[in-house]
Amino acid sequence: QSVLTQPPSASGTPGQRVTISCSGSSSNIATNYVYWYQQFPGTAPKLLIYRNYQRPSGVPDRFSGSKSGTSASLAISGLRSEDGADYYCASWDDSLSGVLFGGGTKVTVL
Amino acid sequence: EVQLVESGGGLVKPGGSLRLSCAASGFTFGTYSMHWVRQAPGKGLEWVSSISSSSISIYYTDSVKGRFTISRDNAESSLFLQMNSLRAEDTALYFCVRDYDGNAFDIWGHGTMVTVSS
Repeated sequence: QSVLTQPPSASGTPGQRVTISCSGSSSNIATNYVYWYQQFPGTAPKLLIYRNYQRPSGVPDRFSGSKSGTSASLAISGLRSEDGADYYCASWDDSLSGVLFGGGTKVTVL
Repeated sequence: EVQLVESGGGLVKPGGSLRLSCAASGFTFGTYSMHWVRQAPGKGLEWVSSISSSSISIYYTDSVKGRFTISRDNAESSLFLQMNSLRAEDTALYFCVRDYDGNAFDIWGHGTMVTVSS
C-alpha cells in the first residue's frame, strides 16, 4: 500500500529547530519530487516547498526541504510562534498514478 | 489577483449527485493543469483528481473512480467535478487547486463543503 508517513505532532520553543519527516517508498518519494504545505485552521493550505527543496517567492528561508532515498524532511529553523500549524508532505505515486499526501504533522510552538 | 472560487457544494443524500464548479481568474487558466483536493472534517488532505491543461490526461484516486468525473472549460476558465453515487465518506471540504509545476499546488480556493447524509 502506497502511503506517506509523517509523525502526528512535533513541537519546539521559539528559536529552536524543528524537523518533520515524511517516509515513503520506491514508487513515490524515491522517484518523484516532494512538496510541503502549511495549513492553519480554517484556511486553505499554502505551498511551502516544491521540487524537494525549492521555496516559492515569499516563503522565509527558515523553511527548508530535503530528500534522501525514500524519505524527505522539512526543517523549520528559528521557530516562531506563527509557525504553529499543520504541515503536509506530498508526492506523486507511480503505482497509483496519483498524488499522495502524508497524514499531516501538527507543529506546536511551546 | 489570481483567484479560484469554488461553488456547488451542499447537503445531499447517499447515492445522490452534485456538480462542483471552480471559477478561475487572474491567470491564463488554459495553460495549467488543475486538481481537486478534499479534506474531511478534522482530517488531513486527500487528492481527488487532476486534469491536464488540454484535458488529455486525467487521473482519479481509487475511491472515486467510476463515480466522479473531472472536466474543464478553458474558454470559460472553469473547472468542474461531477460527483455521482455519493457516499458518507465523500463528506469533505473540496478545494480547487492550480498546479504550478507538476504537482506543486500553488493556488488554492477557499473550498466548497459537500455533506453526504440521510
